[in-house]
Amino acid sequence: DVKVTQSSRYLVKRTGEKVFLECVQDMDHENMFWYRQDPGLGLRLIYFSYDVKMKEKGDIPEGYSVSREKKERFSLILESASTNQTSMYLCASLTTSRYEQYFGPGTRLTVT
Amino acid sequence: TQLLEQSPQFLSIQEGENLTVYCNSSSVFSSLQWYRQEPGEGPVLLVTVVTGGEVKKLKRLTFQFGDARKDSSLHITAAQPGDTGLYLCAGAHAGGTSYGKLTFGQGTILTVHP
Repeated sequence: DVKVTQSSRYLVKRTGEKVFLECVQDMDHENMFWYRQDPGLGLRLIYFSYDVKMKEKGDIPEGYSVSREKKERFSLILESASTNQTSMYLCASLTTSRYEQYFGPGTRLTVT
Repeated sequence: TQLLEQSPQFLSIQEGENLTVYCNSSSVFSSLQWYRQEPGEGPVLLVTVVTGGEVKKLKRLTFQFGDARKDSSLHITAAQPGDTGLYLCAGAHAGGTSYGKLTFGQGTILTVHP
């Protein structure tokens, strides 16, 4: 079974702090994704990566950056957290044989 | 912009009833996935349909991919309280610069009352 883990389930940060969210997958997948999920807005793609050190902006990249130094690890960085970044953050890893994305359990981030 | 319209947005039914959730798009997808998400958790993949007209069954859940691969449906027979959750459809575009990005529907929040 594919396993995608995220570093924290719940996180509370203050406005202006730098926040790191980490995601690790154990299936040697090349493609990984970061989403945020908000009520009424669905899942929105922030960034994705299709190889080590390769990254592409998604639909809402503003205020975020990412890092992919190793194949199994994809990090999302909030450079200066703001209250409008309070959300559920989901990481996913992709199997390209059937284009199935496997999600981690999510990180509920609250910025106060 | 590729859109996947999912309906209904909310569904509240009694245990034992049947229900159908729909996903429609003007775009053709190479495959379509259905996910179920419980509160506070990440979405869990239920099924992938690939071929136009394909029907897949998972116990009381039946998934269908439209002939033109633009739409899909999820039918649940004799719903149970354990079916409660958020159901998401997601379409994939293979190849090119898609990198496996999915287009997600807005989701259907299903509540099954005992």
